[in-house]
Amino acid sequence: AQTVTQSQPEMSVQEAETVTLSCTYDTSENNYYLFWYKQPPSRQMILVIRQEAYKQQNATENRFSVNFQKAAKSFSLKISDSQLGDTAMYFCAFIRGEGAQKLVFGQGTRLTINP
Amino acid sequence: GAGVSQTPSNKVTEKGKYVELRCDPISGHTALYWYRQSLGQGPEFLIYFQGTGAADDSGLPNDRFFAVRPEGSVSTLKIQRTERGDSAVYLCASSLMGGFTDTQYFGPGTRLTVL
Repeated sequence: AQTVTQSQPEMSVQEAETVTLSCTYDTSENNYYLFWYKQPPSRQMILVIRQEAYKQQNATENRFSVNFQKAAKSFSLKISDSQLGDTAMYFCAFIRGEGAQKLVFGQGTRLTINP
Repeated sequence: GAGVSQTPSNKVTEKGKYVELRCDPISGHTALYWYRQSLGQGPEFLIYFQGTGAADDSGLPNDRFFAVRPEGSVSTLKIQRTERGDSAVYLCASSLMGGFTDTQYFGPGTRLTVL
């Protein structure tokens, strides 16, 4: 079974700083996708960024980038120039390439951006 | 609609009662997913529909939980004889075709409280 672990329950940084959220996962699959989702107090999960396991190049989306280390099964999210609106729960998630189409989520990291 | 919608937003019920939670996916999306998010945890998969059929219901915790999608669009999650442990946020998501490369778009969830 696949598992996703986020070891940082909470993080807090000042506005405009850079912050990195950690995620590790365990799988025997070779083909899969990894995601970071943001969940603000409104509860709606919003996709931040995604990475295909076969792509060596790290995904980037504006201020958000990932550090994907396939051998280490690590998938961290870096937020540059953090903004107050980035305050939310962040979930790392995994989906395998074959079989079940379900997302497997980590426990989440509560990120607070302070003014 | 523009996004995934879920009703009601909040539901309070008494132990032993029956509840129905509704999900209206993005128009044209053939795949629909239900997840359950307990307090302080990441979402956990319940069931996945491809069209009208349940392609994977391995996440349903017991036979008190049942879901339908009779016309391949709106889905209803039904919980019989509710227990206090059923209290959680129930999230619905949809994707275009259901493949693992498709992004799952989430609704705002229904917060169920069983007294």
